[in-house]
Amino acid sequence: EVQLVESGGGFVQPGRSLRLSCAASGFTFNNYAMHWVRQAPGKGLEWVSGITWDSGSKDYADSVKGRFTISRDNAKNSLYLQMNSLRPEDTALYYCARDRPNTYAPDYWGQGSLVTVSS
Amino acid sequence: QSALTQPRSVSGSPGQSVTISCTGTSSDVGGYNYVSWYQQHPGKAPKFMIYDVNKRPSGVPDRFSGSKSGNTASLTISGLQADDEADYYCCSYAGSYNVFGTGTKVTVL
Repeated sequence: EVQLVESGGGFVQPGRSLRLSCAASGFTFNNYAMHWVRQAPGKGLEWVSGITWDSGSKDYADSVKGRFTISRDNAKNSLYLQMNSLRPEDTALYYCARDRPNTYAPDYWGQGSLVTVSS
Repeated sequence: QSALTQPRSVSGSPGQSVTISCTGTSSDVGGYNYVSWYQQHPGKAPKFMIYDVNKRPSGVPDRFSGSKSGNTASLTISGLQADDEADYYCCSYAGSYNVFGTGTKVTVL
């Protein structure tokens, strides 16, 4: 069974940093691209970032480019999102999701990790 | 990177069909056959329903179907059931990133 478990969320002041982690199990992690998607409270889904299986390509939404960094450790079956210079508008539930090969579509999703940015 | 446009809400009675549109541009929906759809019940993670415009993952009922014409993709739910009441989001590949739709609330009357 595919499982994705996010962690690392919390309450942080504007301008500070936070690192999210996603532990993957139930599939061969190093065969799949991965995504981060977020959802602000009461709002819709927003794609944040994606990374290929080998970390050879990393893409970002304009809203986080230059502040967020996606990475992965295939030996640890883990995906990460380093979030710097956080803003109140970054407040959201952050989902880790697996990419269905050759479709650019997130298929399996975790339950999310809540990040709250406030002074 | 503008969100794809979806109607805010659609509704139908049990057994009826509803269609949700998802309008983008030639840089996303119109440029690639990589449109996917997601169902989200309150407090739950999104569920993968459609990929590559019109393909269903294993386990998704054939009451759910997808299509695309030009810059607009559509999701049709036939034989509407009470459990179909949820938010639905489209998603498209756009060359170097993905973009989601604004979301549509489906209400079963």
